[in-house]
Amino acid sequence: DTGVSQDPRHKITKRGQNVTFRCDPISEHNRLYWYRQTLGQGPEFLTYFQNEAQLEKSRLLSDRFSAERPKGSFSTLEIQRTEQGDSAMYLCASSPREGRDTGELFFGEGSRLTVL
Amino acid sequence: EDQVTQSPEALRLQEGESSSLNCSYTVSGLRGLFWYRQDPGKGPEFLFTLYSAGEEKEKERLKATLTKKESFLHITAPKPEDSATYLCACFFNDYKLSFGAGTTVTVRA
Repeated sequence: DTGVSQDPRHKITKRGQNVTFRCDPISEHNRLYWYRQTLGQGPEFLTYFQNEAQLEKSRLLSDRFSAERPKGSFSTLEIQRTEQGDSAMYLCASSPREGRDTGELFFGEGSRLTVL
Repeated sequence: EDQVTQSPEALRLQEGESSSLNCSYTVSGLRGLFWYRQDPGKGPEFLFTLYSAGEEKEKERLKATLTKKESFLHITAPKPEDSATYLCACFFNDYKLSFGAGTTVTVRA
């Protein structure tokens, strides 16, 4: 399967614990995105990488959140000291193109986080 | 602030009953409007890209149109397998795609 892969698909954790999600984009896609989606809402932009460079972070991303994309391949999203409000689906997407076609994103199946 | 608003929130259709979904946007520089389909528990799946007013795209029973302030997704003679949440998204700058809340479509046989 050559689609965007996310792991784990589901994570249940207690408040205050740290969690890490991994995303493997489609091979050779140079743009990688993280979005967060809560029930009944559309995905909200969190952060964006072009190759290994993190070019933008949403103000939604507090200092408890950190994302990396070493060597421009897979990416990780870490949430420290989780809170119940962090419960959501975390979506990763990648895009291969430059210019206006970059809006065509290929999404993974998401990682659902439940904070108890 | 750039905003994307979709209506209605939910739409229940009988199989074969055509209808339309609306996406309105307020932008300072729209670079493209995108429609995605999302099934429960899955990530969004790309459907269409529209770049300029008057443009239309079709795929099976779906047709997307764009004006200067809104886009419509027309569903013609829907089938139960068309049941999903349809998301509209706008590309306002070089990298950020902003989504609406979506319209959940349920098609009854």
